[in-house]
Amino acid sequence: QQPVQSPQAVILREGEDAVINCSSSKALYSVHWYRQKHGEAPVFLMILLKGGEQKGHEKISASFNEKKQQSSLYLTASQLSYSGTYFCGTGRLYGQNFVFGPGTRLSVLP
Amino acid sequence: EPEVTQTPSHQVTQMGQEVILRCVPISNHLYFYWYRQILGQKVEFLVSFYNNEISEKSEIFDDQFSVERPDGSNFTLKIRSTKLEDSAMYFCASSIEETGANVLTFGAGSRLTVL
Repeated sequence: QQPVQSPQAVILREGEDAVINCSSSKALYSVHWYRQKHGEAPVFLMILLKGGEQKGHEKISASFNEKKQQSSLYLTASQLSYSGTYFCGTGRLYGQNFVFGPGTRLSVLP
Repeated sequence: EPEVTQTPSHQVTQMGQEVILRCVPISNHLYFYWYRQILGQKVEFLVSFYNNEISEKSEIFDDQFSVERPDGSNFTLKIRSTKLEDSAMYFCASSIEETGANVLTFGAGSRLTVL
């Protein structure tokens, strides 16, 4: 089941913050966040497995709610290099279908 | 750092022709995937492969598609008779059991243009 993402797109100035949301009608086994720059492959950012988990990666962090139906990606003091499309993905067991959300296009302007 | 390599980076073909896209996954990875991304759209799952067989496939992966791991290192996606709508970027990915979850490493992609 494909997760839903919001917003579809966001434009920021350097130094501003953004939040990208990912949700599902059913509890997820895990949630993954990837970033894809134009013309490149998706690159893994982080994975959250447990309800209530929070995880950080430099100025990018994420949370997974207790019911494991919603995750948010937080981008703090955004940099130009943060521009790209952010996908959340829901992973189940190994070797099985790993589905991406539709993506959120983030543009950071000088 | 280990990486997934894909060839060719770009292929142009005529409608109806067969195309083979090649991938070399990371050597100790056990699970292999193909995804496609039509320009400007989302990344769509095609197929996953484990232990020399397909473990799951999407509705996109119809009889025109097949996958193989012919020699223990390469992982190929074959499109038997290409259609215009097959034009897309095709990404190979591989993964290994790690921290109880499935983290995919993607190749740089193969852009397929069907004329």
